[in-house]
Amino acid sequence: QIQLVQSGPELKKPGESVKISCKASGYTFTDYAMHWVKQAPGKGLKWMGWINTYTGKPTYADDFKGRFVFSLEASASTANLQISNLKNEDTATYFCARDYVYYGFDVMDAWGQGASVTVSS
Amino acid sequence: DIQMTQSPASLSASLEEIVTITCQASQDIGNWLAWYQQKPGKSPQLLIYGATSLADGVPSRFSGSRSGTQYSLKISRLQVEDIGIYYCLQAYSARTFGSGTKLEIK
Repeated sequence: QIQLVQSGPELKKPGESVKISCKASGYTFTDYAMHWVKQAPGKGLKWMGWINTYTGKPTYADDFKGRFVFSLEASASTANLQISNLKNEDTATYFCARDYVYYGFDVMDAWGQGASVTVSS
Repeated sequence: DIQMTQSPASLSASLEEIVTITCQASQDIGNWLAWYQQKPGKSPQLLIYGATSLADGVPSRFSGSRSGTQYSLKISRLQVEDIGIYYCLQAYSARTFGSGTKLEIK
C-alpha cells in the first residue's frame, strides 16, 4: 500500500537549520509530484509548494521563498524539506502529500504522518 | 493569488443532523475543488474531489456541490466519527486551503 513516512520530531534554536524527510513506498516515486504543507499549532493548513519528482524542479508558494528548499533523493524514494535560519514562527507540523490526478482532478491523495519542528531558545 | 473564504469557522450540531460547510473562491476555479477531513493529531483525508465526486471509501452521507464560485460540503446525517476539522482546497492555480471549519457534536 502507498505510504509516506516522515522523519521524527525536531527541537531547534533560532538561526539553526532543519531537514525533514518523507520516504515514499508502494508506488513509483518519480511518477507523482510531492507537496509540502505547514500546520502551525492550533492553526489551519498552509500550502508551501511542491516538487516535480521526475525533474527535481521545485515550486514555492510566495510565503516560502528564500529559507525553504525542497529536494529529492530519488534513488531512495525520498523527498526532503530544509528550512534554514529558523524562526519561532517556523514552529509547526510539516506534512508531505502526494499529488495524484484523480479522475482528471489534481488532489493530494496520500499524506505523511507529519513532522513536528519546534523552534525555541 | 486565489483566496478561499471558508465558513463557518466552527459548528456544533446534533447527531443525525444535516451539516453544511461552504467555501467561496475569489475567482472562477471551475471544479478544481477538494474537501478534506482532519481528525485530531492525524493527517488530512480526502473526502471530495472535482467539487462533487466522492473519494473512494468515503461514506455516502458526504456530498459536495457547486454554485458558481461557491462550494459546499454537506453531511446528511451527522455521526460521532465525523468530528474534526474540514478544509477546502483549490487546485486551479497553485493551491490554496480554506481556513477550516471545526465540527463538534452538540
